[in-house]
Amino acid sequence: QVQLVQSGAEVKKPGASVKVSCKASGYTFSSYGISWVRQAPGQGLEWMGWISADKANTNYAQNLQGRVTMTTDTSTSTAYMELRSLRSDDTAVYYCARVRGYCSSTSCHRGAFDIWGQGTMVTVSS
Amino acid sequence: AIQLTQSPSSLSASVGDRVTITCRASQGISSALAWYQQKPGKAVKLLIYDASSLESGVPSRFSGSGSGTDFTLTISSLQPEDFATYYCQQFNSCPFTFGQGTRLEIK
Repeated sequence: QVQLVQSGAEVKKPGASVKVSCKASGYTFSSYGISWVRQAPGQGLEWMGWISADKANTNYAQNLQGRVTMTTDTSTSTAYMELRSLRSDDTAVYYCARVRGYCSSTSCHRGAFDIWGQGTMVTVSS
Repeated sequence: AIQLTQSPSSLSASVGDRVTITCRASQGISSALAWYQQKPGKAVKLLIYDASSLESGVPSRFSGSGSGTDFTLTISSLQPEDFATYYCQQFNSCPFTFGQGTRLEIK
């Protein structure tokens, strides 16, 4: 079946980097973009950014610009999200999601995140 | 960035009730809105896309409406499995912001 399976929980110290993976199966990976969303403990969903199916476009949340990089490896159907210079307020569950719709780099017609990964807990603590 | 404001933030209701959640955008977004359901320990689930299109496999008691700045998610007859947190999200322009969520609890 169509699914996204994420890597396991991470514990990092402030200032370190983390790289979370998201392996897709059950569909043609190169036909869909991937977005990343995070959720701090007890809080709502925060959109972090996305990478288009053809990798030609990435768009990151302004508050993460310069610290986040999203990539994909079509040979292994895996997406990656790297976050650098970690701070305590980066502690959250990180989700990948498949982007469905007709999307430019900045908008999507009939857009939706139709498949979500199970989430990866990243804890930043000294 | 476009802001989405959901109301109410929390809601208590009983099985069988009709429930409506509202999502208001800070500027017009046409019909570029989706609704999701989140339960503890479960993957987030897409319910509605393009403001009113029901995702395949989602029960027909869920419906969405609206365009421009005002949108609603309606559950026609609450079932026990519907108690969860619901989020709206806009796709009109990046960042693809979410509403703050509406927690639906059992009365």
